[in-house]
Amino acid sequence: EIVMTQSPATLSVSPGERATLSCRASQSVSSNLAWYQQKPGQAPRLLIYGAYTRATGIPARFSGSGSGTEFTLTISSLQSEDFAVYYCQQYNNWPRTFGQGTKVEIK
Amino acid sequence: EVQLLESGGGLVQPGGSLRLSCVASGFTFSSYGMSWVRQAPGKGLEWVSAISGSGDSTYYGDSVKGRFTISRDNSKNTLYVQMNSLRDEDTAVYYCAKVKTVGADWFDPWGQGTLVSVSS
Repeated sequence: EIVMTQSPATLSVSPGERATLSCRASQSVSSNLAWYQQKPGQAPRLLIYGAYTRATGIPARFSGSGSGTEFTLTISSLQSEDFAVYYCQQYNNWPRTFGQGTKVEIK
Repeated sequence: EVQLLESGGGLVQPGGSLRLSCVASGFTFSSYGMSWVRQAPGKGLEWVSAISGSGDSTYYGDSVKGRFTISRDNSKNTLYVQMNSLRDEDTAVYYCAKVKTVGADWFDPWGQGTLVSVSS
């Protein structure tokens, strides 16, 4: 099983600042990596797939990069609605696996 | 608009069974793979199972293999998961999610989830 490790566990950021979230895979997942956002009491929402392709309706301030084992989700200028938990997920190997999440909180 | 509506959750004793359903609308159901993903209270996301659009191919996480069975009825636009031999650690919100295809299975969108509680 591929283990996905996200860092940091919690990121404290002020509105308008840049947030950089990391996701590392225990072995290569090529570009088969997705990012999700989850707010309290809600289902997750797809942000990025294929490591860098934004899903429909996702603002341009969200960007993904990386391949192989190292991936990054960048939020260029945090808005109030962006404070949430973010998960990465690989779909290169079975079983599909998620990272443990990074909580982005208001500083 | 794509919509997924789960149902069937509830309280069940350890060792018991439950069947969850997910009714889909807004897309050609048989053309897409589907998955179940769960989230234990206060925890992260765990992929549970996936099924191809035709239903011919199924996949399971190790923690549920041999106990859960995923299936679909394309005539009813409905996805199922039969959960047997339930354990305390199966307590979670269960989400169904649409995937582009098994192999390109990022989850989009997700249903609102249904809570399964396993407790004596």
